[in-house]
This record gives sequence, structure tokens and C-alpha cells, in this order.
Amino acid sequence: DIQMTQSPSTLSASVGDRVTITCRASQSIDTWLAWYQQKPGKAPKVLIYKSSNLESGVPSRFSGGASGTEFTLTISSLQPDDFATYYCQQYKSNPYTFGQGTRLEIK
Amino acid sequence: EMQLVESGGGMVQPGGSLRLSCVASGFTFSSFSINWVRQAPGKGLEWVSYISSRGSTIHYGDSVKGRFFISRDNADNSLFLQMSSLGVEDTATYYCAIFGPVFVLWGQGTVVTVSS
Repeated sequence: DIQMTQSPSTLSASVGDRVTITCRASQSIDTWLAWYQQKPGKAPKVLIYKSSNLESGVPSRFSGGASGTEFTLTISSLQPDDFATYYCQQYKSNPYTFGQGTRLEIK
Repeated sequence: EMQLVESGGGMVQPGGSLRLSCVASGFTFSSFSINWVRQAPGKGLEWVSYISSRGSTIHYGDSVKGRFFISRDNADNSLFLQMSSLGVEDTATYYCAIFGPVFVLWGQGTVVTVSS
């Protein structure tokens, strides 16, 4: 199984900050990676698919990057609505696996 | 608009069974493989099961293997998850989701509570 190691588990930041969340795959997943934002009681919201493709309607301050088996989600300038939990997921091969999540908190 | 809508959740006693459904609209359902994913209260996301576009390939997570059965009806744009021998550890919100080459799509989820 492909393991997804996501870091940090918690991130404290302020409105206007630039933040980056990282996900490392235990083996090659090409670019079959998605990023999600989840708020309490809500379904995961797709932000990025296929590593760097911005989902329609998602603000351009969100971006996804990749270098080998390391993937990043960057928020260029945090807005109040961005404080939530973020997950990465590989969908290269079954079992599709998720990162442990990053809780983005207001500093 | 592409959409997935789950139903069938509810409360069931340990050892019981439940059948979840997911109805697709706004795209050619029969062209895509589809999955069930769940999330226990306060926990992370766990992939549960996969079925290919025609139903010929099926996978299950280790935690549900032998107890859950995935199926689909392409004529009705529907996906199903038959769950049996349910335990308290199966309490979760269950989502159907497509992880496709050009899009990723999730439903809003249906809640399953296993409790005596």
C-alpha cells in the first residue's frame, strides 16, 4: 500500500500569511494526488486534483505543486474562510490512501 | 451540474446490516469507476471500496473485507454498498466519490451509526 505522510499535523498562522502543507508518498504516484479542505460537519471540498489542477470555483490563492514524491498545497495569502482541516489523497492505485490531515488554526 | 447523492444511512444495532445508495447525475456515470470513503466522528478519511466502470474490478479495504459488498447499476446511475456484520467501528459518514483523470467528485455523505 502507498503511504501518504502529511505535515505538519497542526499549523498556526495569521490572516495574510503564506502557508504550505506537504504530503510525501511512499512510492511514485505520478501526479495522481488531490487536496481537500474540510470544515466541521461538512463533506471534503476538492481544491486541487491531479496534483496541480485548480478545481473550478476555488480561489487562485490555492495552488498545488509536485516534485517527485513530494507534493505541496500552498495558500498564498490566508483568508478567514481558509481556517479548516486539509487532506491529501493519492489515487494512483488501490487502496487509495489519505494523509492524516493538517489542522490550520488562527494564530 | 455533476452530482453524487448518497442515501440509506441510519442507526443500526451491532451485528446488523444496512444498504447505502449513491445516485449520480450530470455526467456519464457508466464511464467512471467509483468509490466509497468513510469518516468516523473526529477522525480522518478512510477509503472503503472501489468498483470499476463496468463492475468487473472490485477492491475493498482490509477493515471491511468480507463484510461489505459494493455494486452498481449503470442503467440507473446508481452505486450501492451492502454492509453486514456491522460493528461500532463502522460508525461514520459514508461518501461516494469519483477520482477521475479530469475531475474529482464527492457526494455530501450519509451517516451510519452502529449502536445498541
